[in-house]
Amino acid sequence: NAGVTQTPKFQVLKTGQSMTLQCAQDMNHNSMYWYRQDPGMGLRLIYYSASEGTTDKGEVPNGYNVSRLNKREFSLRLESAAPSQTSVYFCASSEVGQGNSPLHFGNGTRLTVT
Amino acid sequence: QKEVEQNSGPLSVPEGAIASLNCTYSDRGSQSFFWYRQYSGKSPELIMFIYSNGDKEDGRFTAQLNKASQYVSLLIRDSQPSDSATYLCAVTGAQKLVFGQGTRLTINP
Repeated sequence: NAGVTQTPKFQVLKTGQSMTLQCAQDMNHNSMYWYRQDPGMGLRLIYYSASEGTTDKGEVPNGYNVSRLNKREFSLRLESAAPSQTSVYFCASSEVGQGNSPLHFGNGTRLTVT
Repeated sequence: QKEVEQNSGPLSVPEGAIASLNCTYSDRGSQSFFWYRQYSGKSPELIMFIYSNGDKEDGRFTAQLNKASQYVSLLIRDSQPSDSATYLCAVTGAQKLVFGQGTRLTINP
């Protein structure tokens, strides 16, 4: 039972490079999320998808794009990475919409932008 | 005022004692309250959630909610070194989930 799977676990990018973080869940959850976690800032929502076919901006969406590929998969893309995007990224899923059921987190992606 | 506030700690508690973690929130309409535990370098994992005023117990953990005073707390009885982690409070209000910054808890053997 994998739960929420994120890839890659670690990544180093140069400023201006692009990359896509992948996330998949096998719990048949409707809602999926991307968070970033920085020291002293807590978890901040980047984008979320309340259900298949919908995506919405969270608290810090600038510099990111997302795709809800199907019910299982939700990817996060950095088009032109900046040092300010150095962070730990977590994908999460929940049975129903944000805040109404617990979140299940992936193991995280540690991204460094130089 | 932050939407969800926690004392960042570190909170140091002797092994076997009760650890008390507190969280206050600003949105009076908040309906759902969650506690997550996060070990260093790991992802958050759900410990408990509570929706109604009062206490909810699960093993050594008790969540306490007081909507009138706008706080939610987590008590850990018989604290163990394995409870050393950062504890995140999360509160739902206005259709969004907001996390506090977390309290770092250290249990001293």
